[in-house]
Amino acid sequence: GAGVSQSPSNKVTEKGKDVELRCDPISGHTALYWYRQRLGQGLEFLIYFQGNSAPDKSGLPSDRFSAERTGESVSTLTIQRTQQEDSAVYLCASSRRERFTDTQYFGPGTRLTVL
Amino acid sequence: QQPVQSPQAVILREGEDAVINCSSSKALYSVHWYRQKHGEAPIFLMILLKGGEQKGHDKISASFNEKKQQSSLYLTASQLSYSGTYFCGTEGSNYKLTFGKGTLLTVNP
Repeated sequence: GAGVSQSPSNKVTEKGKDVELRCDPISGHTALYWYRQRLGQGLEFLIYFQGNSAPDKSGLPSDRFSAERTGESVSTLTIQRTQQEDSAVYLCASSRRERFTDTQYFGPGTRLTVL
Repeated sequence: QQPVQSPQAVILREGEDAVINCSSSKALYSVHWYRQKHGEAPIFLMILLKGGEQKGHDKISASFNEKKQQSSLYLTASQLSYSGTYFCGTEGSNYKLTFGKGTLLTVNP
């Protein structure tokens, strides 16, 4: 596709359940990022995939959060045993080069609501 | 460390000018500006690198003062389409981008 896509666009889940969020980056982009955006807040960095190197997981808030990426394509962010404070919009972005501060192209996000 | 943006919100009439500021307590290598409309993905506006440069994009320009660790975004003769939340992202010594909380800009007819 022409841009970054994410699915689902909305997800409502019950506290304690696991959720998986998917991101399809722009074809050919080597870097992929996940951010969390709570209501009225800025973008909170979660994890960064950089080509074939080990991912930078320094932003993951707890061990309930994990992410995988298959080569230079799809990424999945998994949140286990969801809590109400996990409610937020989860944004994925990709960039051409393996440099964190290259121009990032964002997807539309997944709005997660934990009841 | 998260940069501080000011003001938190601003309301303009079409044609008016606005300035959005972004400051950090840490040394900066670059500053990035993004705009996000309600319910949409953030869109890249510009990157400013060390050297105190100023960039422009149509009627939106920005400056970066590395000594003061500040950047300002200038919106001239605002249009309705400028409405949205503006985020600055600052690159520090860890080479990562840290985003501010955003400035909500509303342009009314």
